[in-house]
Amino acid sequence: QKEVEQNSGPLSVPEGAIASLNCTYSDRGSQSFFWYRQYSGKSPELIMFIYSNGDKEDGRFTAQLNKASQYVSLLIRDSQPSDSATYLCAVAGGTSYGKLTFGQGTILTVHP
Amino acid sequence: ETGVTQSPTHLIKTRGQQVTLRCSSQSGHNTVSWYQQALGQGPQFIFQYYREEENGRGNFPPRFSGLQFPNYSSELNVNALELDDSALYLCASSLDSGGAGSPLHFGNGTRLTVT
Repeated sequence: QKEVEQNSGPLSVPEGAIASLNCTYSDRGSQSFFWYRQYSGKSPELIMFIYSNGDKEDGRFTAQLNKASQYVSLLIRDSQPSDSATYLCAVAGGTSYGKLTFGQGTILTVHP
Repeated sequence: ETGVTQSPTHLIKTRGQQVTLRCSSQSGHNTVSWYQQALGQGPQFIFQYYREEENGRGNFPPRFSGLQFPNYSSELNVNALELDDSALYLCASSLDSGGAGSPLHFGNGTRLTVT
């Protein structure tokens, strides 16, 4: 079982729709959860982090965490073509003290 | 306040050669972490340096080594390069070793191609 697993892509949504990206993790002791956006040929850019169960909103982005289910998600409202990128879920803490464990990424395409 | 800077941006090496990648940490940050990202994969943790000492290592062979200097900048050295070492190498700095995981901000990366 992979330590961090993301929903297989690619994911394609129309402009203005909600894009939903999902991630599960295996280390129950994980404490910190991050979403990165990566454009082709560029380095990952941090867009959200969440530490507590529930929702965290920042503009058009909402991160959701459910530690009991070992599940974290990212919702992007009013998706724009500029949101087209690979989204990486990363987890830290527990047995991975001091390092991030990344999923394989989900490619999102927002079409006009 | 400057962010994390990496050099060079691109590098082409031949199998068996050695390479050194450099990272300047963000001002005030004392911890540097290195990651390898192969094409189509998520980044993989190589190691972390905290106050000039290695502080955690991922599943990478000893030919991957590093240094951190008193100004907290860092080097990643890879000996006996293999074709599979071709990847984007990412550096991130943070204040302290990150505990459960302080948000990491990456530099622009070094794209290494081994032929």
